[in-house]
Amino acid sequence: AQTVTQSQPEMSVQEAETVTLSCTYDTSENNYYLFWYKQPPSRQMILVIRQEAYKQQNATENRFSVNFQKAAKSFSLKISDSQLGDTAMYFCAFRARSGTASKLTFGTGTRLQVTL
Amino acid sequence: NAGVMQNPRHLVRRRGQEARLRCSPMKGHSHVYWYRQLPEEGLKFMVYLQKENIIDESGMPKERFSAEFPKEGPSILRIQQVVRGDSAAYFCASSPQTGDLREAFFGQGTRLTVV
Repeated sequence: AQTVTQSQPEMSVQEAETVTLSCTYDTSENNYYLFWYKQPPSRQMILVIRQEAYKQQNATENRFSVNFQKAAKSFSLKISDSQLGDTAMYFCAFRARSGTASKLTFGTGTRLQVTL
Repeated sequence: NAGVMQNPRHLVRRRGQEARLRCSPMKGHSHVYWYRQLPEEGLKFMVYLQKENIIDESGMPKERFSAEFPKEGPSILRIQQVVRGDSAAYFCASSPQTGDLREAFFGQGTRLTVV
């Protein structure tokens, strides 16, 4: 079974600054995907960024990038030039690539507040 | 191309009533997942279905909960004899027919309140 741990229940960052959200996971799988989802007050789950475990290069999507350390089972999210619209809950998630174990396993989330 | 559609958005039921939550996956998607989010918590997997088949129901409570995804029509999550502890947001996600696991598109969820 997989577990995903987010150790920061809440974070705050000033507009235009950079913030890093932490995520660690535990699995015996070798092939998998890792995701960061954003959940604003509207409750919609929005995919922010995705990392494929077999790729060594860290994924980047505009202001969002990850630091993927496979050996350490760590998958942190860096948000650069933070904007007020980034205020939301952020969930880290794991998904095995094999067999029927294709469900997403989520962490408990980090509430990010971007301030002026 | 419409996204994953869930209805209703909000559902209020009295204790003991039945709740039916509907999910229409994206066009071309034949894999449906249901998740439950309790207040201030992350999403917890409940069940994974393909058309007319339950593939993984390891997250479903043993009693009162059932799910189906018929050949025609939306996927239905059914909760019988609801209790206060069933109050939560229920999310549906769908993935492509190809089984591409890089994508999982979520609906906006149904917030169930049991009074």
